[in-house]
Amino acid sequence: SAVISQKPSRDICQRGTSLTIQCQVDSQVTMMFWYRQQPGQSLTLIATANQGSEATYESGFVIDKFPISRPNLTFSTLTVSNMSPEDSSIYLCSVAGPSYGYTFGSGTRLTVV
Amino acid sequence: SQQGEEDPQALSIQEGENATMNCSYKTSINNLQWYRQNSGRGLVHLILIRSNEREKHSGRLRVTLDTSKKSSSLLITASRAADTASYFCATDERAQKLVFGQGTRLTINP
Repeated sequence: SAVISQKPSRDICQRGTSLTIQCQVDSQVTMMFWYRQQPGQSLTLIATANQGSEATYESGFVIDKFPISRPNLTFSTLTVSNMSPEDSSIYLCSVAGPSYGYTFGSGTRLTVV
Repeated sequence: SQQGEEDPQALSIQEGENATMNCSYKTSINNLQWYRQNSGRGLVHLILIRSNEREKHSGRLRVTLDTSKKSSSLLITASRAADTASYFCATDERAQKLVFGQGTRLTINP
């Protein structure tokens, strides 16, 4: 299965600032997925990042708040913009495997103060 | 949106006992997957069961799938302290998107 390097692993940020999270995959993948996990909750899909096209956002998530880049088939970034304490969550990237399930990055634990 | 419910939300058992978690979902699926998450870190894929399969084993894990009831169960046998984690079921929807259940927090007491 693919191996994903996600960073930073954690950060504490001031409200009103932005944080960019990076995910590097050790193989080329068509789609990468970004999830949010709010404290004590399950995972919610933010968007699907496709190389060479705009990301597809799920209901409740907008590009101005969570801009995504996908410059090539092994790399993607998610930016959390103009942060507020409500954005404090774990953010995870993921890629799909053909038959073995999905691989997830180790997560970024974000605290906004 | 969440696909379904997991039951129980929390489970605490003694080491060596078996742990059973259940998952229900709402729509037709291609497959159902189980994941483990330790202390809010990344998710680890445990097992995938396809819609035409009824049971699957992997080491101490046993997964069943009942598509007529839209439910699945994960059994961990001979539990160990290292099994303490949150367990999530997830179903695939359109375009490879995973939809997760609420999760079960499993605690194994020594």
